[in-house]
Amino acid sequence: DAGVTQSPTHLIKTRGQQVTLRCSPKSGHDTVSWYQQALGQGPQFIFQYYEEEERQRGNFPDRFSGHQFPNYSSELNVNALLLGDSALYLCASSSPYREAQYFGPGTRLLVL
Amino acid sequence: GENVGLHLPTLSVQEGDNSIINCAYSNSASDYFIWYKQESGKGPQFIIDIRSNMDKRQGQRVTVLLNKTVKHLSLQIAATQPGDSAVYFCAENIETSYDKVIFGPGTSLSVIP
Repeated sequence: DAGVTQSPTHLIKTRGQQVTLRCSPKSGHDTVSWYQQALGQGPQFIFQYYEEEERQRGNFPDRFSGHQFPNYSSELNVNALLLGDSALYLCASSSPYREAQYFGPGTRLLVL
Repeated sequence: GENVGLHLPTLSVQEGDNSIINCAYSNSASDYFIWYKQESGKGPQFIIDIRSNMDKRQGQRVTVLLNKTVKHLSLQIAATQPGDSAVYFCAENIETSYDKVIFGPGTSLSVIP
């Protein structure tokens, strides 16, 4: 049983560019959440997708957007990249029963 | 507001000793708490969770204690092993916020062989 998978593992972009990160949830999970983790800090909640709609959103600008597909996989898009967007982006999936979220390995984004 | 914090940012323990990692939270509406372990270069790994209707929950070598009166959470690791070296995060969740999980800043645990 595959856990949460994310792609790519690493990415380098320049300021002003756009990036798309991908996530496949754990089997049996239908909810996907995205987090940003800066070096030395805890993950910060970006948003959550359920039934292909954004259900919850953290304190992130509209440059951060997402999508969930019918197979529950999800994408995180970030437009007009800033140097401060450099971080580890984590995807987590969960079941409909309000149990713990399971995290993927993350995508490390470096903005130059 | 919502806030989850840790008393100790770093903790060093001797192999074989017990470890205790503490966490304070400020939102009395939080009713579900999770401990995660994060090794270098990896995503957070679920360790154990506890709901607000419980005071204690045990897993394999780990125990979580919840004191709602003082809004305090702790993770106890028995017979700490070198493989336990990692950053540990406590996280809280409020039922009315669906699955929005708020993480604390983390405690780095180092096990001395």
